[in-house]
Amino acid sequence: EAQVTQNPRYLITVTGKKLTVTCSQNMNHEYMSWYRQDPGLGLRQIYYSMNVEVTDKGDVPEGYKVSRKEKRNFPLILESPSPNQTSLYFCASSSRGWNTEAFFGQGTRLTVV
Amino acid sequence: ELKVEQNPLFLSMQEGKNYTIYCNYSTTSDRLYWYRQDPGKSLESLFVLLSNGAVKQEGRLMASLDTKARLSTLHITAAVHDLSATYFCAKREYGNKLVFGAGTILRVKS
Repeated sequence: EAQVTQNPRYLITVTGKKLTVTCSQNMNHEYMSWYRQDPGLGLRQIYYSMNVEVTDKGDVPEGYKVSRKEKRNFPLILESPSPNQTSLYFCASSSRGWNTEAFFGQGTRLTVV
Repeated sequence: ELKVEQNPLFLSMQEGKNYTIYCNYSTTSDRLYWYRQDPGKSLESLFVLLSNGAVKQEGRLMASLDTKARLSTLHITAAVHDLSATYFCAKREYGNKLVFGAGTILRVKS
């Protein structure tokens, strides 16, 4: 089954404790992105990757890091989480092409206290 | 910079009624998407609109795209409780980036 898998689904952590949210897709997609969802703001892109070893900032990259060492994986790293990073995070992937659509993971609800 | 605005942000409807959600965007770019999100769930793709005049229908939902007016609409016909969810429109920008509207929370009351 074609899917985007995120882990963990829920995470409560303390300020400053480094964490990683994993994302894996099995569709051989070139493009992968991370979004955060906050009430009244929709989803905003954090980082994206157009292929292996190619990553770039989205609209809200501060406080986040990513890597793309393999095509299927695109982890999101919070080196020193802060309470304003409490949010719902989604990973998405898509292929190249004019009419492709994005597939989203199940989401990770992160709370930083 | 591409901006996407949805309205209304909250919509309370009676079952059986019709209503429209509007999605305005600021720049010309291809492809407009509509997604549905149930509470605590991921985003489910509803429609992909590729060109001016595109109209797509699925059940009680119909989406259309007017690129000249920079407007897409999601029309709900004879609403039922199962349609209660949050609906997002999104435009595609460079690098397959999606720029989302704030979302419309739809509640259908019986």
